[in-house]
This record gives sequence, C-alpha cells and structure tokens, in this order.
Amino acid sequence: NAGVTQTPKFQVLKTGQSMTLQCAQDMNHEYMSWYRQDPGMGLRLIHYSVGAGITDQGEVPNGYNVSRSTTEDFPLRLLSAAPSQTSVYFCASSYVGTEGNTIYFGEGSWLTVV
Amino acid sequence: AQKITQTQPGMFVQEKEAVTLDCTYDTSDPSYGLFWYKQPSSGEMIFLIYQGSYDQQNATEGRYSLNFQKARKSANLVISASQLGDSAMYFCAMRELSNDKVIFGPGTSLSVIP
Repeated sequence: NAGVTQTPKFQVLKTGQSMTLQCAQDMNHEYMSWYRQDPGMGLRLIHYSVGAGITDQGEVPNGYNVSRSTTEDFPLRLLSAAPSQTSVYFCASSYVGTEGNTIYFGEGSWLTVV
Repeated sequence: AQKITQTQPGMFVQEKEAVTLDCTYDTSDPSYGLFWYKQPSSGEMIFLIYQGSYDQQNATEGRYSLNFQKARKSANLVISASQLGDSAMYFCAMRELSNDKVIFGPGTSLSVIP
C-alpha cells in the first residue's frame, strides 16, 4: 500500500535556489493538494487540483507553482526559495465530492531555507 | 468565505474522562463535508471522522463522535474515555463540494493527564 508518497523527506536550500517537491498517489484520486504547516500552527492550503490539467490557488499560493499532467502526480515547485518558506509540506489526495470522505496524507517534507 | 475556527488552543483532560473539542465553520456552499484529523508529535495526519452536511445522523467512529449542529455551523469532536495516546494536536477541516477545496482550522492541542 503506497498511498501518498512525498519526496524528499528532508531538504535544505539556500535562498534563491529552486526545487521541486514530488507527490504521487496510487489510489486514482481526482483531488490532490499541497499544504504547509509552520511550527505550532495548522495546515494552510497552497494549491490544489481536481483532475489532470486543472489546478487552483489555495490560501497561500505566492512563491509556489504546480502542474497536474497526470492523475497520479502533483509536483510543487519553489521558484526562488525564501527563508519564509521554511516549513513542513504535506501532500494530500482524495476522491472528489461526496466520495471524498477521507483525505489521505503523505508523511510530510521538512524544508529549511537558509 | 470558507473559514474554520477552533477557539481552544490547548485542552487538558483526565484519563478515562470525555472531552469535547470545538469547531465552528463558515461557508456559503449548501453542500460540504467536515473532517477531524489527529496529529501526534510524530507528525503524521491521522483521519478520525467525517460528517456530510446532508447526513441525517451525527457521525461516530469508535470512541470518536461528531456533534454536528448545522444551524449553529458547529462540528465539535467528542472523545470518550480518553487515553494517554490521545494526547496530540486535533484539526477540524471542511471541504466545499462546489469546488472541492479543503481548508483546516488552527488546531487544538489536547493533553491527557494520568
């Protein structure tokens, strides 16, 4: 049972560098999303997608880019990393609508920008 | 606007007692779903319970029940017979079915006292 797989688990970046967080799911879920969680806080939605070719902004989209070329994959790109993007990033997936009564999460990716 | 409020930053409960964690929400969407997740100190997101806006009965899953009051826009989580392993962060979340966007509240830290 792979579920939702995120890579890498840990990453240190220098300010201004770019990188991509990978997310893959094997449950044929239409919905995929990225959240960030800062210390002691809740999850804030960055971007989400309800199917291949469809993406939309969440609560905190600035500085991040996404694409959804396949149902399985939803990579998150940091174009020019800033210290304010130091956070734990979670990828999540589910079915849409009333079928989406459980949201599955990856294990998280710890990102530090120095 | 879609919003989740959890007004209790921290809660304490005696082992074997019941505890209620508060969640209120705001949405203009007539169809939505409400979730509760547990996040232990290890960091993973654990699904606890789901309530659809049109469900006639309050959801229950083992020791977890959701006290859904639609008119008040509240979806409180009740944990019965608290155990030491229940000590964790608890997050309330909502999905609007018109766009499948899922947002989370700021969370409540629960500590179970022996």
